[in-house]
Amino acid sequence: AQTVTQSQPEMSVQEAETVTLSCTYDTSESDYYLFWYKQPPSRQMILVIRQEAYKQQNATENRFSVNFQKAAKSFSLKISDSQLGDAAMYFCAYRSASSRGGSNYKLTFGKGTLLTVNP
Amino acid sequence: NAGVTQTPKFRVLKTGQSMTLLCAQDMNHEYMYWYRQDPGMGLRLIHYSVGEGTTAKGEVPDGYNVSRLKKQNFLLGLESAAPSQTSVYFCASSLLRKSNQPQHFGDGTRLSIL
Repeated sequence: AQTVTQSQPEMSVQEAETVTLSCTYDTSESDYYLFWYKQPPSRQMILVIRQEAYKQQNATENRFSVNFQKAAKSFSLKISDSQLGDAAMYFCAYRSASSRGGSNYKLTFGKGTLLTVNP
Repeated sequence: NAGVTQTPKFRVLKTGQSMTLLCAQDMNHEYMYWYRQDPGMGLRLIHYSVGEGTTAKGEVPDGYNVSRLKKQNFLLGLESAAPSQTSVYFCASSLLRKSNQPQHFGDGTRLSIL
């Protein structure tokens, strides 16, 4: 079974600075997808960024980028120019790309990292 | 666009009571999921469905039942609520054979069992 580990329960960053959230995962598969979700106090689960394992290029979405190291099974999220609205719980998630069975479409989540942004 | 809608948003139950959480999606998604979120645990899959009339167990299915009578609806039932089921419940949906597409989540239901 796949597991996702977020080793930082809490992180803080000054407004306008850069912060990196860590995520590692364990899998025996070669084809999969990785996601970062943001959960603000409103409780919504908002997709921040996704990465396909077969792509070597790191995904970017505006101020958000990832450092995907497939051999190391690492998938960190970098937030540049942090804003107060970035304060939230961030979840890393894994999804198999296998077409065998519906369970391979489920997401496996890490336990989350609570990000605080200081003005 | 409504996306994924969960009802109710909050509920307080007494131990032993039963209730049903409703999830509705208007995106014509095949796959639907129920997760629970507990402090320090992330989200864990309770049950999921790969299509109308089919359901399957996830990581933590005990004490819950589900039904998918219509493609757009996925119901989560608690037959005899226990305090250990106090949690925030999320429903999600996704497209079939589009595993690079994200799951779309509802806003969650906060359930307290006294």
